[in-house]
Amino acid sequence: GENVEQHPSTLSVQEGDSAVIKCTYSDSASNYFPWYKQELGKGPQLIIDIRSNVGEKKDQRIAVTLNKTAKHFSLHITETQPEDSAVYFCAATPLPGYKLSFGAGTTVTVRA
Amino acid sequence: DVKVTQSSRYLVKRTGEKVFLECVQDMDHENMFWYRQDPGLGLRLIYFSYDVKMKEKGDIPEGYSVSREKKERFSLILESASTNQTSMYLCASSFAEQYFGPGTRLTVT
Repeated sequence: GENVEQHPSTLSVQEGDSAVIKCTYSDSASNYFPWYKQELGKGPQLIIDIRSNVGEKKDQRIAVTLNKTAKHFSLHITETQPEDSAVYFCAATPLPGYKLSFGAGTTVTVRA
Repeated sequence: DVKVTQSSRYLVKRTGEKVFLECVQDMDHENMFWYRQDPGLGLRLIYFSYDVKMKEKGDIPEGYSVSREKKERFSLILESASTNQTSMYLCASSFAEQYFGPGTRLTVT
């Protein structure tokens, strides 16, 4: 089955700086890569996703890049704000809506 | 507004008890999932269902079973709870994007 590895496990950044989280996957059949943000006491919520036919996608301060050849994808958060503090998960699956394989998560702390 | 609800936010059960975790979605989604979340391990898939008539084992099904008698409801059953099933349990449903419930933190003593 799919194996998704995520690094780092914790990340502390100064407010206004950038944060980068990296994931690798093993199954070449994976074609859809969502990123989830989980705030304290809540379930994960989708923040951005990318499909295998796209190399990069951006939504305001958040961007995701995908290198299918190397089987890795990354989340970039620019101009970090205190409300970006949360746990972030990457995931991979062959199709949207299908079962997801998750990374272990990254706890991001934004220091004021 | 999209909604996945789980029957309890916190639950404490004794070893050997039969435990039912209920999940209901109001989005008419075919696909529903149960995950378990543990620190350092991320979310691991226990069971999933792509149809009312279909249930499939995920990566860690041992000690669990599921029931899906109606499209909107997907229940996770711990046949005989054990202390190593103490965890956060998350239900999700999807058409494309997966929507998650708030989770049930289960403690087995």
